[in-house]
Amino acid sequence: NAGVTQTPKFRVLKTGQSMTLLCAQDMNHEYMYWYRQDPGMGLRLIHYSVGEGTTAKGEVPDGYNVSRLKKQNFLLGLESAAPSQTSVYFCASSSTRGTGAPAAFFGQGTRLTVV
Amino acid sequence: QQQVKQSPQSLIVQKGGIPIINCAYENTAFDYFPWYQQFPGKGPALLIAIRPDVSEKKEGRFTISFNKSAKQFSLHIMDSQPGDSATYFCAASIGGSTLGRLYFGRGTQLTVWP
Repeated sequence: NAGVTQTPKFRVLKTGQSMTLLCAQDMNHEYMYWYRQDPGMGLRLIHYSVGEGTTAKGEVPDGYNVSRLKKQNFLLGLESAAPSQTSVYFCASSSTRGTGAPAAFFGQGTRLTVV
Repeated sequence: QQQVKQSPQSLIVQKGGIPIINCAYENTAFDYFPWYQQFPGKGPALLIAIRPDVSEKKEGRFTISFNKSAKQFSLHIMDSQPGDSATYFCAASIGGSTLGRLYFGRGTQLTVWP
C-alpha cells in the first residue's frame, strides 16, 4: 500500500517550459488536492477535486491547470513556467469513509525550480 | 487573507519541556481542526485532530486544547524529545462538498535540544 505517490520528486525547468506533475493514490479516496509550500507561507491550495472528472480552483490557481480523468490520478500542469512557480508541490487525498473525519494523506512532494 | 493564524513562527525548547503552539481562526463554519507534523524532505503527516464539540483531546504526548468562544486552539507537546523537532502546521476544514479542503497556518518550526 503506497498511499500517495508523486512523480517526479525533483525537476528544474527553464522559464516558459511546460510540465505535468503526476499524483497517484491507491486508497480509493474521493478527494484530491494540490498544494504548494513556500517558506513562511504554509501550504496553499492550488486546485482540488471532489471526484473523477471534477476540478475546482483553490487559493492560488493562476498559472496552473489540473485534470482528474481517473479516480486514482490527479495531474497538475504548468503551461508556461515562471520563476514565481519555484516551490515544493504536495498532492494530498482524503476520504471520510469509516471515521467521518476528513483525514488528508500527503505525498512526499515535488521540488520544482524554475530558472 | 490568512484564514488560520499560527504562532510562534519558531520555537526552541529543552528536552522535557512543553512547547505550545497557538492558532486562531475567524470562520465559524470550520468544524474540523487537525495538526500536521512535517520533517525535512517529507510531506505533512496528520498528528492529531479535534472537532469543536470537545475542549481537549490527548493522544500520547500530544494534546489539543480548543476554545470555541475565543476561536483559538493550541497544541501542547508533553515531555518533548529531540525526535519531535519538526515543523508543525495547524489547519481548519469545513465539511460538505469540499470536505477535506484544509486551510493551513504558516507553520511553527520546533527545535528540541537534547
